[in-house]
Amino acid sequence: GAVVSQHPSWVICKSGTSVKIECRSLDFQATTMFWYRQFPKQSLMLMATSNEGSKATYEQGVEKDKFLINHASLTLSTLTVTSAHPEDSSFYICSAPGQWDQPQHFGDGTRLSIL
Amino acid sequence: AQSVAQPEDQVNVAEGNPLTVKCTYSVSGNPYLFWYVQYPNRGLQFLLKYITGDNLVKGSYGFEAEFNKSQTSFHLKKPSALVSDSALYFCAVKAGKKSSGDKLTFGTGTRLAVRP
Repeated sequence: GAVVSQHPSWVICKSGTSVKIECRSLDFQATTMFWYRQFPKQSLMLMATSNEGSKATYEQGVEKDKFLINHASLTLSTLTVTSAHPEDSSFYICSAPGQWDQPQHFGDGTRLSIL
Repeated sequence: AQSVAQPEDQVNVAEGNPLTVKCTYSVSGNPYLFWYVQYPNRGLQFLLKYITGDNLVKGSYGFEAEFNKSQTSFHLKKPSALVSDSALYFCAVKAGKKSSGDKLTFGTGTRLAVRP
């Protein structure tokens, strides 16, 4: 079945560092991908919709300059957390939609820890 | 606007007993409904969906869910729980029309704990 690969699975870095997370669709093309953030013991919060060849659509309250999204090809979307601080520590998950009535396909997530 | 409610933060059940994880939804028009499971430090795995047709849908790992239009519910069930079913379960909905896009609305999640 359809697979979404997310990398890296775990990142620990110092405050002020920028971190890039990649999300790839392995056997299908995705013109749209979604980026979620999940706090401990909480639900998924949709951060933005990544659109191939155009600007991402951010949800209300999400800082565009802090969370840079690039959808450079039909199989790759990236999320860059710029100048990360401890409050950015979280679990980030990407997904790609299937055809209209099909489920979304999720990556395995990235645990980001900022020291 | 569409929404999903999972009224229970946690469900506890003994292994071998039946389990139910509740979900109610609100959406304009016909709903497309999904259940996902999340294991620790992993992404979400698709369990089952309701699009149209039979109200009782069967999915992976022996799970099933019943769509009830009058009660706007889509409860997840399993006749006999396993310890390995312990995980976080999410219900999700989107409107069944292309103009509403691909975004899913998720519930807050229910943690299922199955004791041996």
